[in-house]
Amino acid sequence: GESVGLHLPTLSVQEGDNSIINCAYSNSASDYFIWYKQESGKGPQFIIDIRSNMDKRQGQRVTVLLNKTVKHLSLQIAATQPGDSAVYFCAEIPNGGSQGNLIFGKGTKLSVKP
Amino acid sequence: ETGVTQTPRHLVMGMTNKKSLKCEQHLGHNAMYWYKQSAKKPLELMFVYNFKEQTENNSVPSRFSPECPNSSHLFLHLHTLQPEDSALYLCASSLFGRTEAFFGQGTRLTVV
Repeated sequence: GESVGLHLPTLSVQEGDNSIINCAYSNSASDYFIWYKQESGKGPQFIIDIRSNMDKRQGQRVTVLLNKTVKHLSLQIAATQPGDSAVYFCAEIPNGGSQGNLIFGKGTKLSVKP
Repeated sequence: ETGVTQTPRHLVMGMTNKKSLKCEQHLGHNAMYWYKQSAKKPLELMFVYNFKEQTENNSVPSRFSPECPNSSHLFLHLHTLQPEDSALYLCASSLFGRTEAFFGQGTRLTVV
């Protein structure tokens, strides 16, 4: 039969603009939410995490926002660069789950236009 | 380089073959994981080892058999696989209790 690939949402931004990548999660009892970046031919790379008792956390050029009311997580990248082009995954660690039990979302492909 | 090394990078095997994937880390981590990444599904956790003991097995078929001889090495033994098992198999490690996992580059497996 015909194989169907996983449909990834895509986001295309101009170099220097800010990017916002969104993720909806289903388990309201998750302890941690994490963003990973995966470049072509590489494994996922940790970007930033946020604990469920927080609503915002900032890193270097990145900010993660957590809205528990609507079960929504977002990653903001400031001054997007060509090197930011990758697939971005959100992941969650369920409450009571081991720290390594990451449940990943489908991913969003970010393309940065020079 | 993340410090997690997987070999081989690519593997083609027949359905009757037996092969093994290897993962190695010298980051001092005490937790190691196998994930499957296929074109049809999001990243799926397969197995978790904490301090060399298996703590998670997410309903993985028995044709996949993990082995963790020490905290630095992890293997995934494969036998009588199906074509639908073709995927990128990723190994990761972390310090137990930490959210940041370090992934290897993966083994691209094709079952013919």
